[in-house]
Amino acid sequence: GEDVEQSLFLSVREGDSSVINCTYTDSSSTYLYWYKQEPGAGLQLLTYIFSNMDMKQDQRLTVLLNKKDKHLSLRIADTQTGDSAIYFCAESREGYQKVTFGTGTKLQVIP
Amino acid sequence: GAVVSQHPSRVICKSGTSVKIECRSLDFQATTMFWYRQFPKQSLMLMATSNEGSKATYEQGVEKDKFLINHASLTLSTLTVTSAHPEDSSFYICSARDFEGAGEQYFGPGTRLTVT
Repeated sequence: GEDVEQSLFLSVREGDSSVINCTYTDSSSTYLYWYKQEPGAGLQLLTYIFSNMDMKQDQRLTVLLNKKDKHLSLRIADTQTGDSAIYFCAESREGYQKVTFGTGTKLQVIP
Repeated sequence: GAVVSQHPSRVICKSGTSVKIECRSLDFQATTMFWYRQFPKQSLMLMATSNEGSKATYEQGVEKDKFLINHASLTLSTLTVTSAHPEDSSFYICSARDFEGAGEQYFGPGTRLTVT
């Protein structure tokens, strides 16, 4: 079945860039997502990328996709304390099918 | 962006009672809604896929008679936890796909259920 893996924890200093990595196993993945979850809250869709794209940039967020290696990354430029949260990588085969989530990466931003 | 609401945000109930959680898409129509469960410090686990006007599709290991799902309209899906037990205590999150969207999924804020 589908499997999505992430490192569990990342600590960065305020103002630095954060890079959160994710690997997936399903070569049929069409949509790849990044979600943010703040403590006690639901998930917020940050961005998504189609599998035929290599990169997507949205303000401070840059998503890179290496489809050959099945590797997805999320770069947050100028990381702020408000970026502290758990970030979930996720994938789905088609737009209306279920999404498989990674374990989440807890990002800690040190002032 | 699209907004999904859940009600209630937090509920405490006694063991053996039933609890209903509502999930609403506020500004878009959702033919498909999903229900997830999240245990502490763990990722989301899909429980079931809810399609408007038809029976929900449950993931393996999820008891359909215990977790009743109804998707009666394009903007509302409900999850009823029947005869709740302490092990059902968890964070339940719903999500919805925009009928006219590109496939992105929008999540509700979650409902924290505590069964005493």
